[in-house]
Amino acid sequence: GESVGLHLPTLSVQEGDNSIINCAYSNSASDYFIWYKQESGKGPQFIIDIRSNMDKRQGQRVTVLLNKTVKHLSLQIAATQPGDSAVYFCAEIPLHTGNQFYFGTGTSLTVIP
Amino acid sequence: GAVVSQHPSRVICKSGTSVKIECRSLDFQATTMFWYRQFPKQSLMLMATSNEGSKATYEQGVEKDKFLINHASLTLSTLTVTSAHPEDSSFYICSAQREGRGYEQYFGPGTRLTVT
Repeated sequence: GESVGLHLPTLSVQEGDNSIINCAYSNSASDYFIWYKQESGKGPQFIIDIRSNMDKRQGQRVTVLLNKTVKHLSLQIAATQPGDSAVYFCAEIPLHTGNQFYFGTGTSLTVIP
Repeated sequence: GAVVSQHPSRVICKSGTSVKIECRSLDFQATTMFWYRQFPKQSLMLMATSNEGSKATYEQGVEKDKFLINHASLTLSTLTVTSAHPEDSSFYICSAQREGRGYEQYFGPGTRLTVT
């Protein structure tokens, strides 16, 4: 399978601060990248995606940055809230393999009130 | 829209028995469904890709005779863990791709399997 890894397994931030979660991927041929949020005992929840021909995409309070040169993906969460506490995964999708998702290790984000 | 359910949400079974987990797309047709396994504090590991009406494609290292997948309709895929052992205890998550919507996957809530 593919190899998608995260730099930091845990991250703690103060409520109101910005959070940055990083991800390194290995397949330069991947077409899409997606960030998911997973709360304890639940399935992953879609946050934002980005296509490989883009380097930045913004959503509500979230921004994803893609650096294909170094095969690095980041998720920025603005004004982090306690409800943002969860594990965050990046997934890469090399479409030539049939739309399978390959998930990274995950970063556990804890927001300190 | 795009809701995926799993049943049961939790199951405890004895070692040596088989367990069936259902994955349903409630409000859309899913041409492809995926099955993942997740151990505590670890990532989701893709087990297999299931296409309606055809045999599932298993990832390397996943035993197809142990993890039986059936995708009999466009809204239902089942995963049967046969002759379960304690090491099969895990969180099993399915996802579904909506027909005509490309790569997007919609995830179910997961099934916690405990084998005693």
